[in-house]
Amino acid sequence: SAVISQKPSRDICQRGTSLTIQCQVDSQVTMMFWYRQQPGQSLTLIATANQGSEATYESGFVIDKFPISRPNLTFSTLTVSNMSPEDSSIYLCSVNPYNEQFFGPGTRLTVL
Amino acid sequence: DQQVKQNSPSLSVQEGRISILNCDYTNSMFDYFLWYKKYPAEGPTFLISISSIKDKNEDGRFTVFLNKSAKHLSLHIVPSQPGDSAVYFCAATYSGAGSYQLTFGKGTKLSVIP
Repeated sequence: SAVISQKPSRDICQRGTSLTIQCQVDSQVTMMFWYRQQPGQSLTLIATANQGSEATYESGFVIDKFPISRPNLTFSTLTVSNMSPEDSSIYLCSVNPYNEQFFGPGTRLTVL
Repeated sequence: DQQVKQNSPSLSVQEGRISILNCDYTNSMFDYFLWYKKYPAEGPTFLISISSIKDKNEDGRFTVFLNKSAKHLSLHIVPSQPGDSAVYFCAATYSGAGSYQLTFGKGTKLSVIP
């Protein structure tokens, strides 16, 4: 299995500010994934982050709003920029090193 | 447009009885289906999966059934235990998407009553 940690576990932010979420994996992985779960909704893939290249964003998500860094094979960050209340969600980091998807504990973000 | 639907947001079952969680999908390209279990403040964890070449997969107390013609799958938990109380997500993918492109349902919250 893969053990994933995320920081922060939760935060309350003001509208217009930005928050960077960190994801650390206990093993080297090629791809890291960022998901969002809005209240009452399903988990939705935001983007896929490969080390050494730009992240690939899913339809409806753009780099300016959700910039991602992937400096090495065990770490990634997701920034939620210029936040609005609609960004209030749980953000989850995920990896699939053995063709099985593992998820981090999530970051619960509330935007006031 | 939701491609994976879990129409029951919640389900309550007595301990020892069977829990049946349902999932419907619309995309005919999906050929691999997974169930995840999520406890509060934790990420989803993989529970069981099924390939479209099968109609049943069993793992201990958990069995997943797939009805391709109806585009429907279900997760059976028997006997249900209080520790099974969690949110269960159905997910689907297809071979061309790569194993990471999972499409999730909204989840069903299962409560097992002692």
